[in-house]
Amino acid sequence: GNSVTQMEGPVTLSEEAFLTINCTYTATGYPSLFWYVQYPGEGLQLLLKATKADDKGSNKGFEATYRKETTSFHLEKGSVQVSDSAVYFCALIRNTGNQFYFGTGTSLTVIP
Amino acid sequence: NAGVTQTPKFQVLKTGQSMTLQCAQDMNHNSMYWYRQDPGMGLRLIYYSASEGTTDKGEVPNGYNVSRLNKREFSLRLESAAPSQTSVYFCAATLGQGMGAFFGQGTRLTVV
Repeated sequence: GNSVTQMEGPVTLSEEAFLTINCTYTATGYPSLFWYVQYPGEGLQLLLKATKADDKGSNKGFEATYRKETTSFHLEKGSVQVSDSAVYFCALIRNTGNQFYFGTGTSLTVIP
Repeated sequence: NAGVTQTPKFQVLKTGQSMTLQCAQDMNHNSMYWYRQDPGMGLRLIYYSASEGTTDKGEVPNGYNVSRLNKREFSLRLESAAPSQTSVYFCAATLGQGMGAFFGQGTRLTVV
């Protein structure tokens, strides 16, 4: 089947620390991979995406590389800010399907 | 350009009451989705519509019905609300597999 596994949270970091949120997936075929961010009281916003192996998605200082050999799409940021505090979701969609599959989300809190 | 608009934003129902959650998108996207979000569960797909005139069940369809009225609108109906349907509901739309999904702001539903 298709599924996404994210590292358990919550994650608490000091401002300017390095962030990694792990995401691994199981999928048939060649999925597209996404990271979404959800701020309190809001809907999910697309943060970045990668549609094929070795692609790197990036946005707002966040990066993730599509690793087919390890079935991973880990989210990284070199220096987090307080404004990055949110819940982050990893997701996939198969290239022949219509359903998105989401991880359970990882809550990040950045303290000054 | 409003993107994906959901109404209402908040709703309290009594057990057994019915209601319809409305969703409209102005992006001319083909596929639309309804998810529910519960603490610790991530997002779970209720129903989706790959194109106008088609609907399919997702992971948790019981107790819900949907209507894809036209390309813009995709409504979710609770015929007889139950406390287990207390949740935050999100509508989403996408143009295609590699494009990611755009989410509405959510409807916070409480069933008492």
